[in-house]
Amino acid sequence: QQPVQSPQAVILREGEDAVINCSSSKALYSVHWYRQKHGEAPVFLMILLKGGEQKGHEKISASFNEKKQQSSLYLTASQLSYSGTYFCGSGSSNTGKLIFGQGTTLQVKP
Amino acid sequence: DSGVTQTPKHLITATGQRVTLRCSPRSGDLSVYWYQQSLDQGLQFLIQYYNGEERAKGNILERFSAQQFPDLHSELNLSSLELGDSALYFCASSVGTRGNIQYFGAGTRLSVL
Repeated sequence: QQPVQSPQAVILREGEDAVINCSSSKALYSVHWYRQKHGEAPVFLMILLKGGEQKGHEKISASFNEKKQQSSLYLTASQLSYSGTYFCGSGSSNTGKLIFGQGTTLQVKP
Repeated sequence: DSGVTQTPKHLITATGQRVTLRCSPRSGDLSVYWYQQSLDQGLQFLIQYYNGEERAKGNILERFSAQQFPDLHSELNLSSLELGDSALYFCASSVGTRGNIQYFGAGTRLSVL
């Protein structure tokens, strides 16, 4: 089952904060966050693993609630370069298969 | 630059034809993944290979096949192409399997006319 992301789209001014949520109907083993600009490759932002381990960029923060099967990505003091589509991916517990959500489009305006 | 190399960048072909997409993973990565991204379907997992063996399969069509070679590069073969196969095809690689960061290549844009 595909994770559900919310909101579908966000428009911000530079310096504002945003939260993108990712919910799954199945138990999550890992959550992977990516940002993709139009026509380019998805770029890794953060991985959160069951049990609390996290790996990611210093300026990105995220949370993983295993009980609620939810993850949130926190974007603070947004910059123009943050614009793009954000995807969360639900990771399998025994393979590397990722099932991605439908994406959240973020636009940061000057 | 993610270190994952995909060729060709663009491919234009006709319905009914067969094409091969190639992927070289990052140095040291044993897993290769293939994803399809079309406008109405988002990022769809196709297949994973780990050290030469198939590890996981998604909703990959029977007309599509893949393999990973001893040097760890991978090829995705698409045959009997249809208009609906037009999409961006991404390859990603990771060191291991579950819970590993996947690094994506720049993709191959396939246009079926």
